[in-house]
Amino acid sequence: GAVVSQHPSRVICKSGTSVKIECRSLDFQATTMFWYRQFPKQSLMLMATSNEGSKATYEQGVEKDKFLINHASLTLSTLTVTSAHPEDSSFYICSARELVSRTDTQYFGPGTRLTVL
Amino acid sequence: QKEVEQNSGPLSVPEGAIASLNCTYSDRGSQSFFWYRQYSGKSPELIMSIYSNGDKEDGRFTAQLNKASQYVSLLIRDSQPSDSATYLCAVIEGYSTLTFGKGTMLLVSP
Repeated sequence: GAVVSQHPSRVICKSGTSVKIECRSLDFQATTMFWYRQFPKQSLMLMATSNEGSKATYEQGVEKDKFLINHASLTLSTLTVTSAHPEDSSFYICSARELVSRTDTQYFGPGTRLTVL
Repeated sequence: QKEVEQNSGPLSVPEGAIASLNCTYSDRGSQSFFWYRQYSGKSPELIMSIYSNGDKEDGRFTAQLNKASQYVSLLIRDSQPSDSATYLCAVIEGYSTLTFGKGTMLLVSP
């Protein structure tokens, strides 16, 4: 299947700092990427849908000014957690949509574990 | 509201047995169906996709789809301890977002 990478895989930062997470589709072009967050032993929660060249669509309850998303190319989307606080500590996972013929499949990156001290 | 229902488990099977995972969905317009496997602390990994009624086999995995009953299942033959994970059922309608079930935990005992 298609490959999606994320960087960094793990980050520890101080409260109040900003953290940028990159998501790349390595062998296909993704006009749409998605950002999820997952707390321990909980389900995946969709945060936002990122469309290349346009503004992201955020899910209800997700602060767009805190979680900045940029999808500047067909293979790269970034999530910036601004002024991070301990409650933002979580596992952040991106996925990229591959459209082939009439099939629509999402592939997930390996995730980024964020710890805010 | 679109819903995808899965039994949370755990589903316990002995090594070598067949594991049967089930999922129902509420949106009759759903067109694409997926099974993801998620190990603890890792991101989901796509293991099967199915788009039309019937069975689809890939190695030890068989996905079954019945759109009339709004039901999709995953069979794992010759289950191995390494198959122990949470299995997420997901559906999508058109080009909208994936709707996930909460997942079924599978435990395969040696």
